[in-house]
Amino acid sequence: NAGVTQTPKFQVLKTGQSMTLQCAQDMNHEYMSWYRQDPGMGLRLIHYSVGAGITDQGEVPNGYNVSRSTTEDFPLRLLSAAPSQTSVYFCASRQSGQTYGYTFGSGTRLTVV
Amino acid sequence: AQTVTQSQPEMSVQEAETVTLSCTYDTSENNYYLFWYKQPPSRQMILVIRQEAYKQQNATENRFSVNFQKAAKSFSLKISDSQLGDTAMYFCAFMMTLSGAGSYQLTFGKGTKLSVIP
Repeated sequence: NAGVTQTPKFQVLKTGQSMTLQCAQDMNHEYMSWYRQDPGMGLRLIHYSVGAGITDQGEVPNGYNVSRSTTEDFPLRLLSAAPSQTSVYFCASRQSGQTYGYTFGSGTRLTVV
Repeated sequence: AQTVTQSQPEMSVQEAETVTLSCTYDTSENNYYLFWYKQPPSRQMILVIRQEAYKQQNATENRFSVNFQKAAKSFSLKISDSQLGDTAMYFCAFMMTLSGAGSYQLTFGKGTKLSVIP
């Protein structure tokens, strides 16, 4: 099925561990974004990309790295996990020029202990 | 920077009744889009309705409609004939249409938790 696929759906990390949240879309969308959702905070933008090889920081980028080597994939890396990074993470994508908003993945719930 | 404010953290409505969720935003831009997203307990983000700022006519999608007041920077969502499946978090979101750093990204409000009571 076409859409945005995020893996894993759930993850528990120990403080200081690293991991990569995967995001892939098969709609040939140029724009891709990562958001985190915390209770009472809505969704906040972490990093985004407007095409392969182009990334930029959002509102809350500290502690996260991204790269965009292909149109399809936009992984989010946590270099040294901290309890403050416990959250639900969403990846989203959109075709440039279309105005129907973003298509979201189903999210990854990450707990850092 | 754009900001989106949802002043009602929680609301409830009786099944079959009508409810209105409020959203205000702040921007100096003239061209933008506004969205309402629904997030049921499944966690999936589902687009409910969108509004282009240059259109005066309010958007409607079946039981969902908006009241878009551009001068007042207000974008409320009305749900008619509420159903149990409407129980969810609802997020208002803003997106600029100009190119440039940070544009085309969504800015979200903090959400309104809606409960539909049987």
